[in-house]
Amino acid sequence: KAGVTQTPRYLIKTRGQQVTLSCSPISGHRSVSWYQQTPGQGLQFLFEYFSETQRNKGNFPGRFSGRQFSNSRSEMNVSTLELGDSALYLCASRSGTGVIQYFGPGTRLLVL
Amino acid sequence: AQTVTQSQPEMSVQEAETVTLSCTYDTSENNYYLFWYKQPPSRQMILVIRQEAYKQQNATENRFSVNFQKAAKSFSLKISDSQLGDTAMYFCAFNLFNTGNQFYFGTGTSLTVIP
Repeated sequence: KAGVTQTPRYLIKTRGQQVTLSCSPISGHRSVSWYQQTPGQGLQFLFEYFSETQRNKGNFPGRFSGRQFSNSRSEMNVSTLELGDSALYLCASRSGTGVIQYFGPGTRLLVL
Repeated sequence: AQTVTQSQPEMSVQEAETVTLSCTYDTSENNYYLFWYKQPPSRQMILVIRQEAYKQQNATENRFSVNFQKAAKSFSLKISDSQLGDTAMYFCAFNLFNTGNQFYFGTGTSLTVIP
């Protein structure tokens, strides 16, 4: 099976712009979670989607949003980008009842 | 609140030696899984080992083993016969059974294996 894929791998934006990141889970996995990773902060949980519904949400402002499509692919959107949004954004998938998350390679976002 | 603490931001070990990475967590729940994930410099996060909280026996996976102390809420990772490929960031995490399966991660320990 192919692993979790994320596009794009690298992205440079300027403050005030918006960005959309994409994640394709492992085939058959219906749960997709998003994390923000910054040095010293570890992985901060953004949200989890399961069967097109948001199941969990972390403590991030409303500028961060997501959605999941019927094929389980997920997108994450960040509006009105701030310098502090520069980070590695990781996506992870798992099956509906699975306990192990499988991570993608991440999207490195740089906000200038 | 659920928290995970990794008190060692950086560690190093000589090749072929043994190293232990510490992790403590806090939860009032009783049923959960614990994990150690590894993130090599290439950035792909992979699972190293997992432990079910209801199991008393410590999990092992080849050179990797854990010391799970449920009462102390401690979950350390021991790497035996360290190899250069073990150089990575290691994250401790746990996942609750009953609250939507959200994962909680620590801030990571950067391990360098010295030749």
